[in-house]
Parts: sequence; C-alpha cells; structure tokens
Amino acid sequence: KQEVTQIPAALSVPEGENLVLNCSFTDSAIYNLQWFRQDPGKGLTSLLLIQSSQREQTSGRLNASLDKSSGRSTLYIAASQPGDSATYLCAVRKNGQNFVFGPGTRLSVLP
Amino acid sequence: DVKVTQSSRYLVKRTGEKVFLECVQDMDHENMFWYRQDPGLGLRLIYFSYDVKMKEKGDIPEGYSVSREKKERFSLILESASTNQTSMYLCASRSGTGGGGYTFGSGTRLTVV
Repeated sequence: KQEVTQIPAALSVPEGENLVLNCSFTDSAIYNLQWFRQDPGKGLTSLLLIQSSQREQTSGRLNASLDKSSGRSTLYIAASQPGDSATYLCAVRKNGQNFVFGPGTRLSVLP
Repeated sequence: DVKVTQSSRYLVKRTGEKVFLECVQDMDHENMFWYRQDPGLGLRLIYFSYDVKMKEKGDIPEGYSVSREKKERFSLILESASTNQTSMYLCASRSGTGGGGYTFGSGTRLTVV
C-alpha cells in the first residue's frame, strides 16, 4: 500500500528565504504527483502536476522535482513571502488508482 | 476559469438530520471524489465516482451515501447526521483520460450539534 510522508511537519522561516519541502513515497511506480496549497479553512489549490516521465515542473517562484527511483519529490519556493504561509500537501497516483495524500507541511513565512 | 463548486461553505445541522452536500464541476470530468479532512488524520476518501450513476466506496464510507445522476454533479448524503461527522468536506474532480490532476472545491465545514 502506498504511503506518503512529508518532512518537515512544520516550518517557520523569515521572509526572503529560499526553502525546500520534501515528499517521500514508498511505491515508486507512480503515474504522476501533484503539489497543493491549502489556506486555513479553505479547499486545496493545485500548484504543480508532474508526470512520471518528467523530472521537474516550474511555475513562477515554485519548482517541483521528481525522482521516481528514490521515491522523492521536492517543492522549492524561491524568495519566500508572508503570502506563501499555508499548508503544502503532495499526492501521488498510480495508474488506475486514486491519489494518495501526504499529511502536509505547515509553512509560516515571517515578515 | 474551470471550477468545482460546493454549494455551502458552512453548515450547521442537528443530530439525526439528513444532510445533502452538493458538488458541481464545469470541466466535463468523468471522475469525482468526496473527502473529509480532520486535524491529525489528513484527507480520507469517502466515496468516488468514475461515471454517471457509478459509485465506489473509499476508505471510510460508513454513514454516508452518494448520488451521481448527472456528469457534472456529485452529491454526498449523510443519512442520519452524527456529531462524529463534524468535519471539513472536500469535493474534487479529475479527467478520466490522460494524466490529469485533481481540482478541488472550496470545502464545506459541517458542524453537527
């Protein structure tokens, strides 16, 4: 059974720092991986979707990488801002199955 | 702008009431999902549907049912609401073809008193 973990569980950084959030999964035979952002009391907003054939995806200050063989993905946030404060979740999917979610990393960016 | 719309942001219901949570998507997606999210437990899949009138149990279907009469609408039904069903409910949809990801609605915070 696929298990997804995210480290750290919580992170607090000063504004302007570059930071890395980690996602690990136990079954490397995934079809794709998706990163989400969730603000308190709100739904999930998709940030990046990486297919299994891709190594990375970029959107603005966000870059997500995928290393299937080691069962890992990282979300890199450049020049963090207070507005980046949220919980970040990753989810992985095998072909023909549903997404499995990690527990999330709660990020606080301090002004 | 593509959307998944959940009809209510906040609901307060009494124990024993029948509760309907509605979800509508405008992306012509085949697959739709209902999750609940609780602190410390993460997202847990309740039910999903991969086509009209089709439904599949997720990890925690007990106490819930669903209805999908039209492709764009997926309803979650609490037959007799209980206090342990107080939670954030999230609806998502995904295309049934290709490597598409989830699009989520904004969530419904249900409180059962």
